Amino acid sequence: QVQLVESGGGLVKPGGSLRLSCAASGFTFSDFYMNWARQAPGKGLEWVSYISSSGSATYYADSVKGRFTISRDNAKNSLYLQMNSLRAEDTAVYYCARDDGSSTDYWGQGTLVTVSS
Amino acid sequence: DVVMTQSPLSLPVTLGQPASISCRSSQSLVHNSGNTYLNWFQQRPGQSPRRLIYRVSNRDSGVPDRFSGSGSGTDFTLKISRVEAEDVGTYYCMQGTQWPWTFGQGTKVEIK
Repeated sequence: QVQLVESGGGLVKPGGSLRLSCAASGFTFSDFYMNWARQAPGKGLEWVSYISSSGSATYYADSVKGRFTISRDNAKNSLYLQMNSLRAEDTAVYYCARDDGSSTDYWGQGTLVTVSS
Repeated sequence: DVVMTQSPLSLPVTLGQPASISCRSSQSLVHNSGNTYLNWFQQRPGQSPRRLIYRVSNRDSGVPDRFSGSGSGTDFTLKISRVEAEDVGTYYCMQGTQWPWTFGQGTKVEIK
């Protein structure tokens, strides 16, 4: 069955960096576009970034453009999100999600990122 | 960006009764391909989002048939024919036609 397991979240100071990982299993990872989305505590959902199956195309929300970098390693069935220059408003649960061509059909359980001094 | 507006934001319902959530987009969600990428997600308390409906009216595998989606252009609706206790949670519409993909504010469904 499809499984997406995020890791790498934690407490980081403003201006700091963090790298999130998402381990995928149960499907042919290299066939699918992948996404990162986030949800601030008690708030709604926000799309963060999107990467093509080969990794050649990437998209970012304006709120993270220039600070976050999405990447993938198809040999390792893994998706990544490098987050730099973190701000308090980046505090959220970050979800990895698979895209089936219509939208995201599977989501991970999420990893919490807290940006605070 | 495409703005997605849901109503109502809070929906108290009686078990066994129908429920309906509206979602309106600030521009047409018809893609150049002819597809309309309007999706509905359910998020139960403490859980990750789960997709219920994709491309307006297609139910995902395992989704009960009491859930249905309809609409076109800029006006869409999610209906639950008979609400059950397990349907409690927040429901989001989401457009995938134009990047950045955007969500509605969410509609919290609770049992009266």
